[in-house]
Formats: sequence, structure tokens, C-alpha cells
Amino acid sequence: EAGVAQSPRYKIIEKRQSVAFWCNPISGHATLYWYQQILGQGPKLLIQFQNNGVVDDSQLPKDRFSAERLKGVDSTLKIQPAKLEDSAVYLCTSRLGGVGNSPLHFGNGTRLTVT
Amino acid sequence: AQSVTQLGSHVSVSEGALVLLRCNYSSSVPPYLFWYVQYPNQGLQLLLKYTSAATLVKGINGFEAEFKKSETSFHLTKPSAHMSDAAEYFCAVSERYTGGFKTIFGAGTRLFVKA
Repeated sequence: EAGVAQSPRYKIIEKRQSVAFWCNPISGHATLYWYQQILGQGPKLLIQFQNNGVVDDSQLPKDRFSAERLKGVDSTLKIQPAKLEDSAVYLCTSRLGGVGNSPLHFGNGTRLTVT
Repeated sequence: AQSVTQLGSHVSVSEGALVLLRCNYSSSVPPYLFWYVQYPNQGLQLLLKYTSAATLVKGINGFEAEFKKSETSFHLTKPSAHMSDAAEYFCAVSERYTGGFKTIFGAGTRLFVKA
């Protein structure tokens, strides 16, 4: 099966600019997550979708971050405006259904550098 | 909320030596536990998972982990390290909440293997 696809792989922007990341999960995976991984830390959950609905965005800085999952498939994560501390790898993952013991499938991530 | 603690941000072993990566979790109920590995320039991938079927779990590439409820630990081991094992390893716990399940990661342990 095809894995989770993310683009772009790398992005460099200046602070206060906008940026968007795209994710295509594994076909049939209803649950999609965006994680932020700052250098030296473990991934931190930003937002969770179940199909096209948001089920948890409590850790998403909503003043600058937004995400959507139209039609319950592809998802985009946007940052506007970016800050220096947003420099991180943004990981998209998907999971089959909402079962706790099913593993997460990760994309390769988008490495964002804010200068 | 559950949490995951990985002891040691860096571990260095010689090729052929035992690998031991430590993970402790906090949970009031039997958890779903995972180890993920991230090779350089690659996305995270599942190494193994504990789902209460057996306390000793075998994963890919000769790794295994033992669930010890009394110690709230899920340490990862491999009898003999190989150069190709050099990577970052993340312990994770999946917890149930109102929106379904979300996965919380430890900070990671980078494994170095010396020739």
C-alpha cells in the first residue's frame, strides 16, 4: 500500500510569512493527525481529524495555525504568520479507524525553517 | 493525562553489545504502548507494539520490549547492536479520550553504534 504522502519536504520562510503543508493519508484511514516535532523533542500533537471533522485541536495555536481536511481525505496545515519558534518538522500521520492499538503511519514530514 | 519518559537522550554502544533503551509511562489503566524508530532522513516507523496479549513483545530487526506493569516500564532491548541500528527511538503511549485515541510520545533517545 502507498504510504502517507507529504509535501513539500523542506520549506524556508521569513518570519511573518505564510506557509502551507499538504498531506495525503493512506487510503481508507479515517483518522489523521498533524504533529509538530521540534529538534531534540518528541512529536507533539497539534490536531486530530476523524474523517473530515476535527476531534481535538486543543494543542493547536489557533491564532496562527489552521488545518482542514476536506472530503475526509487530504489535509492541509497552514501557519499565518510564522514565528521563529515554528521551526520544526511537521508530521502527518494516519491510523485505521479509532482503535488505540493500531499503529500510526507517518509521512516523511515537512521541515520548516523560519528565519 | 498520560505521559512518557525516556531516560537518556543519547545512548552509545559498541557494535555487538547489548542495546537497552528505557521508557517509563504514567497510566491509570492498561495502556497501548509502542516503540517507533526514525532513521536519518526518514519518517517514523513502527518497531513494535504492546496490546496486552503478551508482556514480551518482539519487533522488527531483532528488537524486543517487555511490559512491566509493576514498574510502569516498557524498555526496548536488542542483544547485539548493529551499525544499521543507529537511529532515534521514540516510546509512545496511546490513550483514550473523548475524541477517540491519541498517541503521546517521549522525547526520544538517539542511539549511536560504534564500530
